[in-house]
Amino acid sequence: GQNIDQPTEMTATEGAIVQINCTYQTSGFNGLFWYQQHAGEAPTFLSYNVLDGLEEKGRFSSFLSRSKGYSYLLLKELQMKDSASYLCAVRDGDYKLSFGAGTTVTVRA
Amino acid sequence: IAGITQAPTSQILAAGRRMTLRCTQDMRHNAMYWYRQDLGLGLRLIHYSNTAGTTGKGEVPDGYSVSRANTDDFPLTLASAVPSQTSVYFCASSEDPGQGGNEQFFGPGTRLTVL
Repeated sequence: GQNIDQPTEMTATEGAIVQINCTYQTSGFNGLFWYQQHAGEAPTFLSYNVLDGLEEKGRFSSFLSRSKGYSYLLLKELQMKDSASYLCAVRDGDYKLSFGAGTTVTVRA
Repeated sequence: IAGITQAPTSQILAAGRRMTLRCTQDMRHNAMYWYRQDLGLGLRLIHYSNTAGTTGKGEVPDGYSVSRANTDDFPLTLASAVPSQTSVYFCASSEDPGQGGNEQFFGPGTRLTVL
């Protein structure tokens, strides 16, 4: 089976940095994904890691350690529009994604 | 049509009724997926299709069926709805993951309530 854990909620101040951790135990591994989902909307793709290390994309960065079954999503220079749920997902084969329950990030002024 | 669309947007359904959720994409993606999203459980894969004419079971396939007659359409059918199928349903598509298709594009979702 698949087990993907991430914190339920996080709160941070506008302009600050927040790190969302994700740990996973899956039967296979073929990539780790982060999606953003605003309330009442569809998820949108943020990042993809398949090799160990850091991937940076603007204010967002994602890190992967396959040996530790661990990833994090780093959000820098937080803006109010970053208030959303962030979903960690692992692909264990070619097509199947398993998602964590999501982390709701609230950005305060 | 731009991207991926779903219909209906929302539906209230009596238990025991049959219901088909529609999904259409115009990106010519080979792979398509159906997920349900429930509070506290995240997105769970129901069924998927890696190309027209083929389908596969996801994590929670019981009570659901799909078909993939062509590249663009991937309907999800509830043969006899039960209250536990109350959820938000998302359809998604991607290029072939085996050929670098990493990003899944999600439709706007269908909110289904079974009474």
